[in-house]
Amino acid sequence: DIQMTQSPSSLSASVGDRVTITCRASQNIGNYLNWYQQKPGKAPKLLIYAASSLQSGVTSRFSGSGSGTDFTLTISSLQREDFATYYCQQSHSTTFGGGTKVEIK
Amino acid sequence: QVQLQQSGPGLVKPSQTLSLTCAISGDSVSSNSAAWIWIRQSPLRGLEWLGRTYYRSKWYNDYAVSVKSRITIYPDTSSNQFSLQLNSVTPEDTAVYYCGRERHIAASGYTWFDPWGQGTLVTVSS
Repeated sequence: DIQMTQSPSSLSASVGDRVTITCRASQNIGNYLNWYQQKPGKAPKLLIYAASSLQSGVTSRFSGSGSGTDFTLTISSLQREDFATYYCQQSHSTTFGGGTKVEIK
Repeated sequence: QVQLQQSGPGLVKPSQTLSLTCAISGDSVSSNSAAWIWIRQSPLRGLEWLGRTYYRSKWYNDYAVSVKSRITIYPDTSSNQFSLQLNSVTPEDTAVYYCGRERHIAASGYTWFDPWGQGTLVTVSS
C-alpha cells in the first residue's frame, strides 16, 4: 500500500496568515493527489484534484502543487472559515493522509 | 447539483450485518462517467476507502482488501441509489460511514471524490 504522510499534524495560525501543509507519498504517484477540507461533524469537501486543479466553486485562496512524492497545499490568506482539518489522498490505490488540523492562534 | 442522502441504522450488534443506503439526486447510479463509493472514518483507522460500484456497459465492483470477504456494494437502478452491506461486524467496524461519487478525467486516470453524503455514525455494540 502507498502510505501518505502529512505534516504538520496540527498548526495554529492567525487570520491573514499564509499556511502551507505538506503531504509525502511512500512512492511516486505522479500527480494523482487530491486535497479535502473537513469541518467538525461534516463530510470532507474536495478542494484540489490532480495535485493542482482547483475544484469548481472553491476559493482561489487554495492552491496545490507538487508531483512524484512531495505535495503542498497552500492557503494564501487564512480566513475564519478555513479553520478545519485537511487531508491529502492519493488516487492510484486510494489512501488518505492522517490529516492536518488548522486551529486559530 | 448532485446530492447524496444516506440512511440506515446507527447501531448494529456484533456478528450482524451493517446495511446503509445512499440515495442519489442530480446524477444516475448507472452513469458511465461516475463510480459510487463507500468510505469510513474512525479515530483508529482514519479515512478508509471500502469499495465502489460502477456501470460501464455492465456492473463492476472493487473492494478494499481489508474488508473484501465481508462487503457487498450494489446498485438499485429503480430507486437511483446504492447500498453497502458489511457482514460479521465487530466493534472495530465502528466508524462514520460516508457514501460518495467518484469522478475522473477520461484517459488520464485522475479520479477524485465529490460530493460526499452527510455521514452516518455506526456503532457496533451489543
